[in-house]
Amino acid sequence: GENVEQHPSTLSVQEGDSAVIKCTYSDSASNYFPWYKQELGKRPQLIIDIRSNVGEKKDQRIAVTLNKTAKHFSLHITETQPEDSAVYFCAASGGANSKLTFGKGITLSVRP
Amino acid sequence: DVKVTQSSRYLVKRTGEKVFLECVQDMDHENMFWYRQDPGLGLRLIYFSYDVKMKEKGDIPEGYSVSREKKERFSLILESASTNQTSMYLCASSLEARLGGYTFGSGTRLTVV
Repeated sequence: GENVEQHPSTLSVQEGDSAVIKCTYSDSASNYFPWYKQELGKRPQLIIDIRSNVGEKKDQRIAVTLNKTAKHFSLHITETQPEDSAVYFCAASGGANSKLTFGKGITLSVRP
Repeated sequence: DVKVTQSSRYLVKRTGEKVFLECVQDMDHENMFWYRQDPGLGLRLIYFSYDVKMKEKGDIPEGYSVSREKKERFSLILESASTNQTSMYLCASSLEARLGGYTFGSGTRLTVV
């Protein structure tokens, strides 16, 4: 089955700096890669996703890039703000079903 | 706006009890999922269902079962609760992952004493 790795487990950045979170996946058949943000005490919420026929996608301050050859994808957050502090999960799915396999999550802290 | 509602936010149960966690979605989604979330372990899939009366084991099904008698409702059952099942349980639903991903419920924090 699919295995999604997410490193490191924590990341701390200064407000205004950029943050990059990387994930790798194992199943070359995976074709859908969403990112979820979970604020403290709240449910995970989809913030951006990318499909395998696209190399990059942007939405305001966030972007996701996909490298199918290397089987990794990354979340880029520019001009970070304190409200970006949260746990971020990457996930992958593909093939005949829609089951998502999640990474273990990374805790992003934005220092004011 | 899709809503996924979990019946309890916090639950305390005794070891050996049979526990039911309920999840209801209101957007006619075919797919429903149960995950548990533990610090350092991320989200781990317990069971999922693609249709009524259909269920499939996820990565950690031991000690759990599920029921899906109606399309909108997916129940997680702990047959005999144990302390190592103390966790946050998250329900999710989706049309298909490739169409837009999951919508999660708010979670149920279960403590087994």
